[in-house]
Amino acid sequence: DGGITQSPKYLFRKEGQNVTLSCEQNLNHDAMYWYRQDPGQGLRLIYYSQIVNDFQKGDIAEGYSVSREKKESFPLTVTSAQKNPTAFYLCASSIGNSDTQSFGPGTRLTVL
Amino acid sequence: ELKVEQNPLFLSMQEGKNYTIYCNYSTTSDRLYWYRQDPGKSLESLFVLLSNGAVKQEGRLMASLDTKARLSTLHITAAVHDLSATYFCAVDILPMEYGNKLVFGAGTILRVKS
Repeated sequence: DGGITQSPKYLFRKEGQNVTLSCEQNLNHDAMYWYRQDPGQGLRLIYYSQIVNDFQKGDIAEGYSVSREKKESFPLTVTSAQKNPTAFYLCASSIGNSDTQSFGPGTRLTVL
Repeated sequence: ELKVEQNPLFLSMQEGKNYTIYCNYSTTSDRLYWYRQDPGKSLESLFVLLSNGAVKQEGRLMASLDTKARLSTLHITAAVHDLSATYFCAVDILPMEYGNKLVFGAGTILRVKS
């Protein structure tokens, strides 16, 4: 089955720790995206990547980092510099251009 | 800065009734997307609207796009309980040849009552 997988589903982090969220897709999509969703709000773009080895900051990139070494994978690291990281994180991918973005199941991150 | 505004933000409606959700945006774009999200779940794509005057229908939902008015509507016909969810519109702010970068509205929470 083609799709997007994210792991873990739930993640707990202590203050001051870096954590990495995984996103993998087998849809052969060129573009991948990371969004953050806070309760009762829409999605905000953190980072996106249109091709391998290239990525751009979204609207709220501070405190986050990404890499795109393989077409299938776009991991997101939430660093200790992110002051309020508790949120629902969604990864998406698309062929690009006017194609709709397909979303993964999400990772819920909680800072203890 | 692009603003995408949805209204209403919360909608409680009776089964069998009709209603419309509005999505206004503040800058030029000719690509707009509608998504559905169930509680605690990811987003599911509903419609892709790619040109002025585009209209798409799926079951009890119909979406339209007026790029001159910078307005999209999601019309619900004869609502049923299964339509209860949060609905998001998203506007693409990149030129088509550069890929897509979406700005989302805050979402409309729809509750359909029996």
